[in-house]
Amino acid sequence: DQQVKQNSPSLSVQEGRISILNCDYTNSMFDYFLWYKKYPAEGPTFLISISSIKDKNEDGRFTVFLNKSAKHLSLHIVPSQPGDSAVYFCAATGGGKLIFGQGTELSVKP
Amino acid sequence: DTGVSQDPRHKITKRGQNVTFRCDPISEHNRLYWYRQTLGQGPEFLTYFQNEAQLEKSRLLSDRFSAERPKGSFSTLEIQRTEQGDSAMYLCASSPSSGGLTGELFFGEGSRLTVL
Repeated sequence: DQQVKQNSPSLSVQEGRISILNCDYTNSMFDYFLWYKKYPAEGPTFLISISSIKDKNEDGRFTVFLNKSAKHLSLHIVPSQPGDSAVYFCAATGGGKLIFGQGTELSVKP
Repeated sequence: DTGVSQDPRHKITKRGQNVTFRCDPISEHNRLYWYRQTLGQGPEFLTYFQNEAQLEKSRLLSDRFSAERPKGSFSTLEIQRTEQGDSAMYLCASSPSSGGLTGELFFGEGSRLTVL
């Protein structure tokens, strides 16, 4: 069973505009939700996280929103830059293993 | 460089052979994780260690897979009698205990396995 889902395999946005990546989950016991970024030939790198007791966390151009009632989270990147082009993975944990979504490939065009 | 180190980076083997991957975590990180990633998918959890203790193992892991972390430092992942379906990127990650609770893991660059 896929506990963390990213339904959009790809997203293309113009430089300077907002990128919105979405993620849904099924397990209400998750404590933390995270976004990881992955460039080709590299391992995933941590980007931003949010605790289940919060609904928003901001770090520079990156903001993560959590809607617990809908079991949905999103990552907003404003403004988007060409260097943001990568695969973004949503992930969640209940304190042990980290469970990942399938990923969304973001392409930011100049 | 003090990041997570994995070796080898690439391995090509014939079906039926055994392969072993090594992971050196960031020093003093007591949690170590193994994941597998195939094309178009996110990393799939395989197993994780707290120091030398293997705390959880995915039911995806067949009896042909074994992981060890004998002294709580480096870890090895062995695949016996490889099959073509084992072809994937094998990712290792480490974290301090607190990072393991919040999900902030540090990943290596991965070991890519190709089974012919």
